[in-house]
Amino acid sequence: GIQVEQSPPDLILQEGANSTLRCNFSDSVNNLQWFHQNPWGQLINLFYIPSGTKQNGRLSATTVATERYSLLYISSSQTTDSGVYFCAVESYNQGGKLIFGQGTELSVKP
Amino acid sequence: DSGVTQTPKHLITATGQRVTLRCSPRSGDLSVYWYQQSLDQGLQFLIQYYNGEERAKGNILERFSAQQFPDLHSELNLSSLELGDSALYFCASSVDSSGGYNIQYFGAGTRLSVL
Repeated sequence: GIQVEQSPPDLILQEGANSTLRCNFSDSVNNLQWFHQNPWGQLINLFYIPSGTKQNGRLSATTVATERYSLLYISSSQTTDSGVYFCAVESYNQGGKLIFGQGTELSVKP
Repeated sequence: DSGVTQTPKHLITATGQRVTLRCSPRSGDLSVYWYQQSLDQGLQFLIQYYNGEERAKGNILERFSAQQFPDLHSELNLSSLELGDSALYFCASSVDSSGGYNIQYFGAGTRLSVL
């Protein structure tokens, strides 16, 4: 089945710094979503982005489907950005299930 | 708030017992998914229902079963519980079952502890 790899696995930042999280996937995808899991365990939708670029405030994402990767950019990070960021993909002809990467754990220090 | 409601939030039980986790999807969503998050396996797909019918199965144990009712809420039944079943169980819903209408929104999860 499709493989999803996220890097880096861990990231520690000072408040105000910028970061880039990467998601590589091994096959063509029908759907790609980025999530933030906060310290309370909630999975929060950030982007639906099977291709192209989107921005939402300090966050933006880019997916280059032909090269099978997606990037999540966090600018001017805040302590509330801490948590785990997951990339999840839906592969063609595999039904609607999402396959998750292992996540990037982000810690933003004040 | 994602609009997906899961109950209970926490569940503590003993080995060998049976529990039921409940999920109400977002208004208008026909697809319901169940996922399990554990420390060693990460987030894994268990099962999908679409408009009352089972659509896909993942790594779901035979001790686990689920259903989606006519009002579209779903229940995940876990029986003969083992210590290794302790995990965070998520329900997600989407309008349709694939592609652009399959943007999945997740509930807050049910944290199951088997003692």
